[in-house]
Amino acid sequence: DADVTQTPRNRITKTGKRIMLECSQTKGHDRMYWYRQDPGLGLRLIYYSFDVKDINKGEISDGYSVSRQAQAKFSLSLESAIPNQTALYFCATSDPGTSGKTDTQYFGPGTRLTVL
Amino acid sequence: AQSVTQLDSQVPVFEEAPVELRCNYSSSVSVYLFWYVQYPNQGLQLLLKYLSGSTLVKGINGFEAEFNKSQTSFHLRKPSVHISDTAEYFCAVSDRGGAQKLVFGQGTRLTINP
Repeated sequence: DADVTQTPRNRITKTGKRIMLECSQTKGHDRMYWYRQDPGLGLRLIYYSFDVKDINKGEISDGYSVSRQAQAKFSLSLESAIPNQTALYFCATSDPGTSGKTDTQYFGPGTRLTVL
Repeated sequence: AQSVTQLDSQVPVFEEAPVELRCNYSSSVSVYLFWYVQYPNQGLQLLLKYLSGSTLVKGINGFEAEFNKSQTSFHLRKPSVHISDTAEYFCAVSDRGGAQKLVFGQGTRLTINP
């Protein structure tokens, strides 16, 4: 079974609708991230969380919110979706280890979101 | 703040030919450096990383990269590519302290022709 799972894998919605993307992990990692991928722009960080009580904005948080329901679950919400939020969304996890330093991030398979 | 520039958006090569994917970065602090690969319709997978020590880093699937601090580069190389290497490749950096967030380049699409 995959260590980092994302649901749904594909979603088509309409402008103005509320959408939630979910991420679950079985790696036991404290740190979780949400990114969006757009062609020619690479991946950009939306939000990140270092534990259940720690939520931080990334580079492009406007129009998004997140919830860290448990160590293993991190959800991304679009309160009122707009067409320029059409993108591929990735969840990732990492473990700071005993040194407290993060290096490798482990990515889920992605959610392809289309906003009409 | 860090930034990453991947100098080629697309690189077509013939099977069994060598390839180099170029990556330059900018940062006012010391960084960790990474190359991730994204196969079609999949998530990202770590190819290799530079944290410290030897500047030549070997990764999975025969790839290697060399950290050049003076040129702020971290180019990815493979001496002989295969059809299965067709994918998009992302260079990324993170600072060594603080939040250690990953900053990605724009990606390079590697296409292997038979």
